[in-house]
Amino acid sequence: SQKIEQNSEALNIQEGKTATLTCNYTNYSPAYLQWYRQDPGRGPVFLLLIRENEKEKRKERLKVTFDTTLKQSLFHITASQPADSATYLCALDGDNFNKFYFGSGTKLNVKP
Amino acid sequence: DGGITQSPKYLFRKEGQNVTLSCEQNLNHDAMYWYRQDPGQGLRLIYYSQIVNDFQKGDIAEGYSVSREKKESFPLTVTSAQKNPTAFYLCASSNRGGGNEQFFGPGTRLTVL
Repeated sequence: SQKIEQNSEALNIQEGKTATLTCNYTNYSPAYLQWYRQDPGRGPVFLLLIRENEKEKRKERLKVTFDTTLKQSLFHITASQPADSATYLCALDGDNFNKFYFGSGTKLNVKP
Repeated sequence: DGGITQSPKYLFRKEGQNVTLSCEQNLNHDAMYWYRQDPGQGLRLIYYSQIVNDFQKGDIAEGYSVSREKKESFPLTVTSAQKNPTAFYLCASSNRGGGNEQFFGPGTRLTVL
């Protein structure tokens, strides 16, 4: 299986700043890594996927990096807005690509 | 609208009773999944299915059972053998194969009294 670590402490930032969230894993390097957003009491929503041979992926204000040497992915939200406040989960594929392991998530609070 | 639905949103049961959570999708996805989420924790995989009439145990399958008789439906039964069933249950679906995004339902919050 896979052990995934995300910062359990909430990240508090000011509107307009860049938020950076970290996802570390300890075992095998995944072929795929995904980031999801989860609002309270709701199911997660997919944001971005990055493959092991990709260093960086962007989508609008979102950027994900993937460093297989450090066993780490960073998730950036630029020009953050209060509406970005949520919990962000990273997920790594299992050893047979048919399932994913999820981290516990990091809560982001963007203050106006 | 295409999507994945779960019902009910809130469910209360007495200890010792079995309860079945519904999950339906009209996305034509082959793969479906059940997760459990406890406060402050990530999603833990209970069962998953890649095709009709076939399913595999996840990391915490004890005390749960599933069936996959139709492509659209993947109900989860929480049995009396599950020692701590109170949790938020999430169903998801995806296309088969590596790296495909999972589409999640709204979740069912089960409380066992």
